[in-house]
Amino acid sequence: ETGVTQTPRHLVMGMTNKKSLKCEQHLGHNAMYWYKQSAKKPLELMFVYSLEERVENNSVPSRFSPECPNSSHLFLHLHTLQPEDSALYLCASSQEWLADNEQFFGPGTRLTVL
Amino acid sequence: SQQGEEDPQALSIQEGENATMNCSYKTSINNLQWYRQNSGRGLVHLILIRSNEREKHSGRLRVTLDTSKKSSSLLITASRAADTASYFCATDAQRYSTLTFGKGTMLLVSP
Repeated sequence: ETGVTQTPRHLVMGMTNKKSLKCEQHLGHNAMYWYKQSAKKPLELMFVYSLEERVENNSVPSRFSPECPNSSHLFLHLHTLQPEDSALYLCASSQEWLADNEQFFGPGTRLTVL
Repeated sequence: SQQGEEDPQALSIQEGENATMNCSYKTSINNLQWYRQNSGRGLVHLILIRSNEREKHSGRLRVTLDTSKKSSSLLITASRAADTASYFCATDAQRYSTLTFGKGTMLLVSP
């Protein structure tokens, strides 16, 4: 498989559930990103990992917990979410954590919180 | 914030016509990138233009950058129905900074 893959593609969860989103990149990149895309809002950066170290955390609520066990995998652990957390969650990777690097995006996970 | 703002929010044209989208930003940048997103999918990188460049081409795409006006434009020539998507500009201000995306322009190309 090539590029950036995300699973699951769709997720419906209750506010008391715990779930995880998974992202995998097959590009040999060193930087990985989580973004949140809500309707009528700009794409919001949530977390950045470079060489498996978290380098940015944009004031994301603690109910979102990222994990990067190696440079190819990125997880977003979810617990006690709110309905306003419903959105498309996009994972991306780039060769390095440099602003002029092209980012490669996965297809996203459409999350609905009931 | 150096957030990019695309204009117009939505654009509807016929196949074969040209589509022009604009992006304005607030602070100095190092680079500006354009991305495309098909409905409900991930973004795809189209082109990067550096602050010392004024124009760049890639196939049917032409991007201009005017740093004095803090604006960029994306021109798609001879549009096709497959160009229907949302288009985003993304800016950065520092070498290690991450990208800041705008809200996007929704382009509809009718056959």
